[in-house]
Amino acid sequence: GQQLNQSPQSMFIQEGEDVSMNCTSSSIFNTWLWYKQDPGEGPVLLIALYKAGELTSNGRLTAQFGITRKDSFLNISASIPSDVGIYFCAGHLNGQNFVFGPGTRLSVLP
Amino acid sequence: GAVVSQHPSWVICKSGTSVKIECRSLDFQATTMFWYRQFPKQSLMLMATSNEGSKATYEQGVEKDKFLINHASLTLSTLTVTSAHPEDSSFYICSAKTVGNSYEQYFGPGTRLTVT
Repeated sequence: GQQLNQSPQSMFIQEGEDVSMNCTSSSIFNTWLWYKQDPGEGPVLLIALYKAGELTSNGRLTAQFGITRKDSFLNISASIPSDVGIYFCAGHLNGQNFVFGPGTRLSVLP
Repeated sequence: GAVVSQHPSWVICKSGTSVKIECRSLDFQATTMFWYRQFPKQSLMLMATSNEGSKATYEQGVEKDKFLINHASLTLSTLTVTSAHPEDSSFYICSAKTVGNSYEQYFGPGTRLTVT
């Protein structure tokens, strides 16, 4: 079945730094979603992407739908302590269920 | 908007008993809800897709007689873990998809099940 890879698996950054993470697939998707999950909570939808090449921002977050439709990127600018958590990407192809990546664990050092 | 609630947020039960978890979409109608299971430090594992008014579709390897799903209305789906065992202990999360062409899923806060 379809599988997603997320890179990096985990990262430690200093507060104020920018963060980049990506999600790749061996097959194409029509929709990419990015979620953030805090410990003991459900994932919260950050950004949804529906078109190849689309670049969408949500505050300090920016995500892009890769032109090949097999990848997506999430950038966080000027990180703050509350950015700590696990970031999941999810891909969707019409008629199929969402596929979730394994997550990128972000730690922000003060 | 697009708020999903789950109840209870955590539950402890004894082996052999059954536990029901509710998932509600509070401010939208959801024809489709999803049930996931998540182990510590792992990603979300889809258990089943719940469609209002019809039988749930279970993923391969998920026992439908053990994990009973009912989606009786456009705002409520329930997951019942029957004859629970310690290995069923996990974090169960539901999500709901809005009606229409949007493919966005909104997740509930999760339910922590511990079976002793």
